Amino acid sequence: NAGVTQTPKFQVLKTGQSMTLQCAQDMNHEYMSWYRQDPGMGLRLIHYSVGAGITDQGEVPNGYNVSRSTTEDFPLRLLSAAPSQTSVYFCASSKQWGSYEQYFGPGTRLTVT
Amino acid sequence: QQPVQSPQAVILREGEDAVINCSSSKALYSVHWYRQKHGEAPVFLMILLKGGEQKGHDKISASFNEKKQQSSLYLTASQLSYSGTYFCGTYSGGSNYKLTFGKGTLLTVNP
Repeated sequence: NAGVTQTPKFQVLKTGQSMTLQCAQDMNHEYMSWYRQDPGMGLRLIHYSVGAGITDQGEVPNGYNVSRSTTEDFPLRLLSAAPSQTSVYFCASSKQWGSYEQYFGPGTRLTVT
Repeated sequence: QQPVQSPQAVILREGEDAVINCSSSKALYSVHWYRQKHGEAPVFLMILLKGGEQKGHDKISASFNEKKQQSSLYLTASQLSYSGTYFCGTYSGGSNYKLTFGKGTLLTVNP
C-alpha cells in the first residue's frame, strides 16, 4: 500500500494563479480531509469528506474548493492564490470519522509570491 | 473551535517525565493524539473515546475526562526520540464530523 500520496511536494505560485493539489489514498478510506499548517497555528481544517460525493467546510475554507468523485481521490483547488495561502498542506484519510486514526500524506509546501 | 493545549513548549532531560494537556469548550466524542517531527507529517499515537478511558502505548499514555472535556498525554522516562510537536485533535460527535487540532506542544528532550 502506498498509503496517502500528495503531489506536488513543493510549488511556487504567483498571486492570482490557480492550481490543484492532488491527494490519493489506496486504503479504501471513507473519510478524507485537508489541513493547512502555519507556524504557531497548528493544523487547521480546510475541507473534509465523509464519502464519495459528500464534502463539507472546515475551519478555514475560504479560497479553496474540493470535490470527491471517487473514494480514492480528494483534490484541493486554489481558485486565485494569495500570499496568505503560503503554507504546508496536509491531506489525511481514515476508515471513518470519529474513532479511527488519521493517516497523513507527506505534505505540499506552497509559496505564493 | 480549536482545543487548547498546554504547555506550548517543554524542555526535558532524558529520563524525565512530562504531561501535555488538551481542553475543549465543547462536549467531546473522541480525542486523538499525534506527534510530528520537524519537516515530517503527523503520526498517530492513540485515540480515546468518551467513557473516560485511559490508554497506554509503551511509556506514553493518555487519559480522557469526558465531564471536564479534557485529555492529558503522559510521557514517562522520556527518550531523545520523543522530541517533536504533539497535537491533540478532537471530535465533538453528533453531526459534527470535523477533527479539530490544537496548536501543538513542542517537546524537546536533551541528553
